[in-house]
Amino acid sequence: RKEVEQDPGPFNVPEGATVAFNCTYSNSASQSFFWYRQDCRKEPKLLMSVYSSGNEDGRFTAQLNRASQYISLLIRDSKLSDSATYLCVVNSEYGNKLVFGAGTILRVKS
Amino acid sequence: EAQVTQNPRYLITVTGKKLTVTCSQNMNHEYMSWYRQDPGLGLRQIYYSMNVEVTDKGDVPEGYKVSRKEKRNFPLILESPSPNQTSLYFCASSLGGTGNTIYFGEGSWLTVV
Repeated sequence: RKEVEQDPGPFNVPEGATVAFNCTYSNSASQSFFWYRQDCRKEPKLLMSVYSSGNEDGRFTAQLNRASQYISLLIRDSKLSDSATYLCVVNSEYGNKLVFGAGTILRVKS
Repeated sequence: EAQVTQNPRYLITVTGKKLTVTCSQNMNHEYMSWYRQDPGLGLRQIYYSMNVEVTDKGDVPEGYKVSRKEKRNFPLILESPSPNQTSLYFCASSLGGTGNTIYFGEGSWLTVV
């Protein structure tokens, strides 16, 4: 089983839609959770950290469910510029490092 | 400007011809690492370094070497490249620990023929 799993998508949504992605992780002791965004053929960049109580940054909301071992990302009022691959990142059970999911592709269409 | 710089950005090489991908960061970060990204597999860590002269294997270290003689530089060496090392490579740095933001270089597209 992979340490971090994501639905690869693609999720095709119209502008203005609300879309949500989930990501499951295997390490029950994980303490660090992030969402990174990667535009086509470019480097990943931090979108937001995920805190235990959930957190929001503008149109983006991140949630953590420890009992079921998943994190989620909700995007409201989708923009064309939100089209990208969203990477789920969790600290590994094997040493001091982070593990990246393979990513979920989002395509927002006008 | 805070950045991670890697070179070359694009390279086509032949099997067996040694090559080095350089990486430099200007943020005084202790932690540096190399990843490769392949379709459907996501980012996989090749090697990482917690500080100068301290390096360790990641998940896919076979066929690669690294060194950390200075804090800012972390080159990736392919002693004898093979076609299965054709990939997109990212260098990254962070303050250290798993709770800190990772900053990535722009990536190096490597093709081995």
